[in-house]
Amino acid sequence: KQEVTQIPAALSVPEGENLVLNCSFTDSAIYNLQWFRQDPGKGLTSLLLIQSSQREQTSGRLNASLDKSSGRSTLYIAASQPGDSATYLCAVRLNSGNTPLVFGKGTRLSVIA
Amino acid sequence: EAEVAQSPRYKITEKSQAVAFWCDPISGHATLYWYRQILGQGPELLVQFQDESVVDDSQLPKDRFSAERLKGVDSTLKIQPAELGDSAMYLCASSPLASYNEQFFGPGTRLTVL
Repeated sequence: KQEVTQIPAALSVPEGENLVLNCSFTDSAIYNLQWFRQDPGKGLTSLLLIQSSQREQTSGRLNASLDKSSGRSTLYIAASQPGDSATYLCAVRLNSGNTPLVFGKGTRLSVIA
Repeated sequence: EAEVAQSPRYKITEKSQAVAFWCDPISGHATLYWYRQILGQGPELLVQFQDESVVDDSQLPKDRFSAERLKGVDSTLKIQPAELGDSAMYLCASSPLASYNEQFFGPGTRLTVL
């Protein structure tokens, strides 16, 4: 059974710092990996999607990398801002086709002004 | 921009009562998912529809939960009777058949069972 682990569970940083969130998965045979943001009491907003054949994806200050063979992904946030404070969830899709996502428990990020 | 709609946003009920949640996916999206997210955890799949057919309901507690998508568009998730352990966020997501990549999530329904 695929398991997704996110470390750390919580992180607090001062504004302006660069930071890295980690995600690991037990079965490397994934189709793709997706990073989401969730604000308190809200739904999920997709940030980045990496296909299994890709190594990284970038969107603005966000960069996500994927090392499928080692079962790891990282989300890099540059020049963090208080508005980045949220929970960040990593999820993997196991197969092609419309299969459901398997989520980690998330990393709760606080960026202090 | 098209969005997944869910209602109600919040629901408070007493245990043993019946509750129902509604989801309207993005127009044209053939696949619809219901996930449950317990506080502090990641979402977990309850049921997946392809058009009006159930594709995966292996994690749906069928003794008390039911889900339908009669016309292959909007969907309803029902709990009867509700239990204290059902308190959670219920998230609906949809994805288009032509692109298997991305799931789009609604704002969720926060259920509190007293």
